[in-house]
Amino acid sequence: AQTVTQSQPEMSVQEAETVTLSCTYDTSESDYYLFWYKQPPSRQMILVIRQEAYKQQNATENRFSVNFQKAAKSFSLKISDSQLGDAAMYFCAYRSAFLWGTSYGKLTFGQGTILTVHP
Amino acid sequence: NAGVTQTPKFRVLKTGQSMTLLCAQDMNHEYMYWYRQDPGMGLRLIHYSVGEGTTAKGEVPDGYNVSRLKKQNFLLGLESAAPSQTSVYFCASSRGTSGIGETQYFGPGTRLLVL
Repeated sequence: AQTVTQSQPEMSVQEAETVTLSCTYDTSESDYYLFWYKQPPSRQMILVIRQEAYKQQNATENRFSVNFQKAAKSFSLKISDSQLGDAAMYFCAYRSAFLWGTSYGKLTFGQGTILTVHP
Repeated sequence: NAGVTQTPKFRVLKTGQSMTLLCAQDMNHEYMYWYRQDPGMGLRLIHYSVGEGTTAKGEVPDGYNVSRLKKQNFLLGLESAAPSQTSVYFCASSRGTSGIGETQYFGPGTRLLVL
């Protein structure tokens, strides 16, 4: 079974600064996808960025980028030019590339990291 | 499009009572999921469905039942609520295709308190 670990329960950053959230995972599969979700106080789960395991190039979405290290099974999220609206719980998630068997497209989540942004 | 909606938003139950949480999606998605979110544990999969008329157990299915009689609806039932089922429940749906484009869309969540 796959596991996802976020070792930072809480992180804080000054507005306009850069912060990196850590995520490690364990899997025996070679093909999979990784995601970062944002959950603001409204509780809505919002997809921030996603990465295909077979792509070496790190994904980027505006101020959000990832550092994907497949061999190390590490998938960190970097937020540049942090804004007050970035304050939220961030979840790292894993999904198998296969939609059959025991995978059925489910997401396996880490425990989450609470990000506080100071003005 | 409303996306994924959940009813109710908040509910208080007494131990032993039953209730049904409703999830509806208007995106014609094949796959639907029920997760629960507990402090410090992230989201865990309760049950899922890969199409109308199908359901299957996820990681933490005990104490819950589900039904998918219509493609757009996925119901989560608690037959005899227990305090351990106090949680926030999320429904999600996806097209059910492989590839990075396969994204799960989440509902706003239902907060359940069992006394």
